[in-house]
Amino acid sequence: AQRVTQPEKLLSVFKGAPVELKCNYSYSGSPELFWYVQYSRQRLQLLLRHISRESIKGFTADLNKGETSFHLKKPFAQEEDSAMYYCALSMPDKLIFGTGTRLQVFP
Amino acid sequence: NAGVMQNPRHLVRRRGQEARLRCSPMKGHSHVYWYRQLPEEGLKFMVYLQKENIIDESGMPKERFSAEFPKEGPSILRIQQVVRGDSAAYFCASSPPANTGELFFGEGSRLTVL
Repeated sequence: AQRVTQPEKLLSVFKGAPVELKCNYSYSGSPELFWYVQYSRQRLQLLLRHISRESIKGFTADLNKGETSFHLKKPFAQEEDSAMYYCALSMPDKLIFGTGTRLQVFP
Repeated sequence: NAGVMQNPRHLVRRRGQEARLRCSPMKGHSHVYWYRQLPEEGLKFMVYLQKENIIDESGMPKERFSAEFPKEGPSILRIQQVVRGDSAAYFCASSPPANTGELFFGEGSRLTVL
């Protein structure tokens, strides 16, 4: 069955520290993966998608088909990165989301 | 463009009553998705609709839940005879006809069943 797993509910780091939010997926087809972010009192919004291979707000994510992972990384976290992050797998008629990881960046 | 609009933002119902949640997609978007978020859980897909058609309702509970997206007006998620377990945040998202995989979300409707 198709599934997205985010093993960490909460990740706390200090400002300037590296961040890695883990995401693993299960899908028999060719995966298309996304990271969505929800800042406090804002809507859930797209952060980045793997096919664009771009860096957004300093975040990058590489699709590793061998490990079925799509971890989100940032070398130096900022306080404004504190938010809820969701990994998502695109299916033909829907997006399947993981349970989310709350990132807290302390000053 | 005001974005995806959901109302009501908060809805309180007693057990056995009906709940209706409305969603107006972004202008130009013809695809609507409903998700449910329960405490300590992620977003669970419920249903995907296009104008006047249900495309995928694999995430909808078999009973009491229904959704529609009429030719005119908002999409509606209807829950009949609500139970306490229906208490959750319900999110609507829309996308344009060209499927880029990006969904645009509303702010959600929080249903509380007493």
